[in-house]
Amino acid sequence: EPEVTQTPSHQVTQMGQEVILRCVPISNHLYFYWYRQILGQKVEFLVSFYNNEISEKSEIFDDQFSVERPDGSNFTLKIRSTKLEDSAMYFCASRPGDEKLFFGSGTQLSVL
Amino acid sequence: GDSVTQMEGPVTLSEEAFLTINCTYTATGYPSLFWYVQYPGEGLQLLLKATKADDKGSNKGFEATYRKETTSFHLEKGSVQVSDSAVYFCAPYSGGYQKVTFGTGTKLQVIP
Repeated sequence: EPEVTQTPSHQVTQMGQEVILRCVPISNHLYFYWYRQILGQKVEFLVSFYNNEISEKSEIFDDQFSVERPDGSNFTLKIRSTKLEDSAMYFCASRPGDEKLFFGSGTQLSVL
Repeated sequence: GDSVTQMEGPVTLSEEAFLTINCTYTATGYPSLFWYVQYPGEGLQLLLKATKADDKGSNKGFEATYRKETTSFHLEKGSVQVSDSAVYFCAPYSGGYQKVTFGTGTKLQVIP
């Protein structure tokens, strides 16, 4: 079965640094998402992306966050100036026109 | 927006015991309903879904029935295995480019 691929699997950064989390969605999918999960807590929606623009974003997705689909295959999440509370597992997801979401295996971000 | 309430975990069962994980939701209109599963160290995977009232989703011995009258989608399995140990997430989805909203997740631990 096709997979959503996320890199890196682990990312350690210093507070205040910029990080870019990368995702390669499944090739014929149309809708793209970022979610995050702080250890032991709920899976939280960050942002959805369709037709090369953000379709919805949560309160978490403030000005420090941005998303891009720079080349038609990659889908990136940038955090400009990381904070300690950004430490979490970040999941990318994509889906075709129907409803099933396909998730990547996540990037564990640790902000020190 | 959509919201979901799941029973608190962790749920600890002996192998071959009967499992029920309760889930109730609120949503505009008539959403599709999903159960996702997260095995240790992995991303979320779709377990089963139901798209309309009285539909029963099933997979790997798990079942859930879409109950519109009680806005519920409880997950059941007649005989759990150690390999079922994971976190289970209930999720309604109201369609279009809207996000899938996850519950807090219920951790299941099955002991031999």
